[in-house]
Amino acid sequence: EVQLLESGGDLVQPGGSLRLSCAASGFTFSTFAIAWVRQAPEKGLEWVSIISGSGGIIYYADSVKGRFTISRDNSKNTVYLQMDNLRAEDTAVYYCAKGKASTRFDYWGQGTLVTVSS
Amino acid sequence: EIVLTQSPGTLSLSPGERATLSCRASQSVSSSNLVWYQQRPGQAPRLLIYGASSRATGIPDRFSGSGSGTDFTLTISRLETEDFAVYYCQLYDSSFSYTFGQGTKLEIK
Repeated sequence: EVQLLESGGDLVQPGGSLRLSCAASGFTFSTFAIAWVRQAPEKGLEWVSIISGSGGIIYYADSVKGRFTISRDNSKNTVYLQMDNLRAEDTAVYYCAKGKASTRFDYWGQGTLVTVSS
Repeated sequence: EIVLTQSPGTLSLSPGERATLSCRASQSVSSSNLVWYQQRPGQAPRLLIYGASSRATGIPDRFSGSGSGTDFTLTISRLETEDFAVYYCQLYDSSFSYTFGQGTKLEIK
């Protein structure tokens, strides 16, 4: 059974940093891309970043480019999202999702809440 | 940047009725890259339809997708109570970015 479990969400002040983790199981981790998708309170879904199975290909949404860094440790079946210089508008539930055929996300975690507020 | 516009914003129907949800792209897109998700309250999104018309694993056949070019449709043939949720369309841009529509809330009338 495919499982994705996010952790690391917290309350942080504007300008602060946070690192999210996504621990995966139930599939051959190193062969699939993993993405982060966020959802602000009472809002829709917004893609944040994606990393290929090998970690060699990485993309970011313009809204986080230069502030967020995605990485993965295939020996630990875990993907990370380092978030720096956080802003109030980064407040959201952050989901990690398993990529499929480049076009879609076929399994999602339950999300972790990040709140940026003073 | 391609924008996806979903309509209506909210759809009020009764169990047993047919639901038709629309997703319109601001320019023509490949149907291979058009996806639908369902999100129930308090839950993560769930993949429903990919390639505009292919059902994901375990999705009941009352869910169907269609469309091409700029206009895509998600149809639920006979609504069940668990189908009342928010539905999102999503596009994969071949430059490795992903765009979501703003969502359609399907509520019980």
